[in-house]
Amino acid sequence: KNEVEQSPQNLTAQEGEFITINCSYSVGISALHWLQQHPGGGIVSLFMLSSGKKKHGRLIATINIQEKHSSLHITASHPRDSAVYICAVAAMDSNYQLIWGAGTKLIIKP
Amino acid sequence: EAQVTQNPRYLITVTGKKLTVTCSQNMNHEYMSWYRQDPGLGLRQIYYSMNVEVTDKGDVPEGYKVSRKEKRNFPLILESPSPNQTSLYFCASSPHGGQGDGYTFGSGTRLTVV
Repeated sequence: KNEVEQSPQNLTAQEGEFITINCSYSVGISALHWLQQHPGGGIVSLFMLSSGKKKHGRLIATINIQEKHSSLHITASHPRDSAVYICAVAAMDSNYQLIWGAGTKLIIKP
Repeated sequence: EAQVTQNPRYLITVTGKKLTVTCSQNMNHEYMSWYRQDPGLGLRQIYYSMNVEVTDKGDVPEGYKVSRKEKRNFPLILESPSPNQTSLYFCASSPHGGQGDGYTFGSGTRLTVV
């Protein structure tokens, strides 16, 4: 069983829809990261969470430490949001290594 | 502008010909790391460095070498590349590593070994 699991693996939605991507993990963590990988390959860090909720523009990330679960939400989705979204956790005993989820490929159709 | 710069962006080489992928950051970050990304496998860590002259193996270090002689640079060296090292490579840096710090990624290097 993977230590970090994302769902769904693939998601296709219409422009304007509310999007939710989930990340569950099985290890103790010091922080959880959400990253975005564009179709061209570049990776951008979106959020780093250790508790609660963060918001940046149309993106919202939440984390529930007790349930070992995080969600990334996109409001009013747009075709430019099409990308792979990756969850990664900094495990407490990982010696500075991130444990990566497999990613969720999101396609927003106009 | 704060950034991690990787070069080259694309590289096609032949089996056995030594190559170096450079990575440089201008944020005075202590921590730097190399990852490879393969379809269906996600990102896997190759090597990381917690500071100058301090390097350690990640999950898939075989066939790779690194050095950290100065804080800003962390080159990835393939002494004798093989086709199974064809992959997309990313360098990343962080102020102090995974304990609650954000990461900055380079633009990636797409390597093909024929």
